Amino acid sequence: EDKVVQSPLSLVVHEGDTVTLNCSYEVTNFRSLLWYKQEKKAPTFLFMLTSSGIEKKSGRLSSILDKKELFSILNITATQTGDSAVYLCAVAGTASKLTFGTGTRLQVTL
Amino acid sequence: DGGITQSPKYLFRKEGQNVTLSCEQNLNHDAMYWYRQDPGQGLRLIYYSQIVNDFQKGDIAEGYSVSREKKESFPLTVTSAQKNPTAFYLCASRDRNTEAFFGQGTRLTVV
Repeated sequence: EDKVVQSPLSLVVHEGDTVTLNCSYEVTNFRSLLWYKQEKKAPTFLFMLTSSGIEKKSGRLSSILDKKELFSILNITATQTGDSAVYLCAVAGTASKLTFGTGTRLQVTL
Repeated sequence: DGGITQSPKYLFRKEGQNVTLSCEQNLNHDAMYWYRQDPGQGLRLIYYSQIVNDFQKGDIAEGYSVSREKKESFPLTVTSAQKNPTAFYLCASRDRNTEAFFGQGTRLTVV
């Protein structure tokens, strides 16, 4: 059975802090790893990673994948209250199966 | 506009009743998915379909059924065998090697 584990489960930080969210996985026939942000209803796409060691970056967010150690991290620098959300990690494996982790709930306070 | 449409937004089910949640996409994606989300939880995979007329069980398929007769449509039926169906249901679609796109979800409540 494919498995995706995210840590921490929840996190409270002050505005301006830097946070690192973790995602480890065990998946048959790994294809890609995806990060999403969920604020209310539908998750919104952040990054898709397929190759080890190549950082993807978008503004204050960045992510990297380690296919040898089977994990990924999502970094958010200079956090803002608008970053408060649940961050979801998903891994695509055999036959298009897409498995999500439990998510990390981030709260950014003033 | 291209996208995924789920309906209804809110659904109320009586005990022992079957209900069907609709999911339609016009993105021409091959793969479609159904997820269940409980409060404070991540997304759990119910069923997925890689191609028309084919689908596989996910991690929590018991009490649910699906069909994939058309590429655009992947309806989910919540049967009376699902003992705790109150949850938020999300449908998604994707092509091989792309991100998944989500509908706005259906909130199902048992009354």
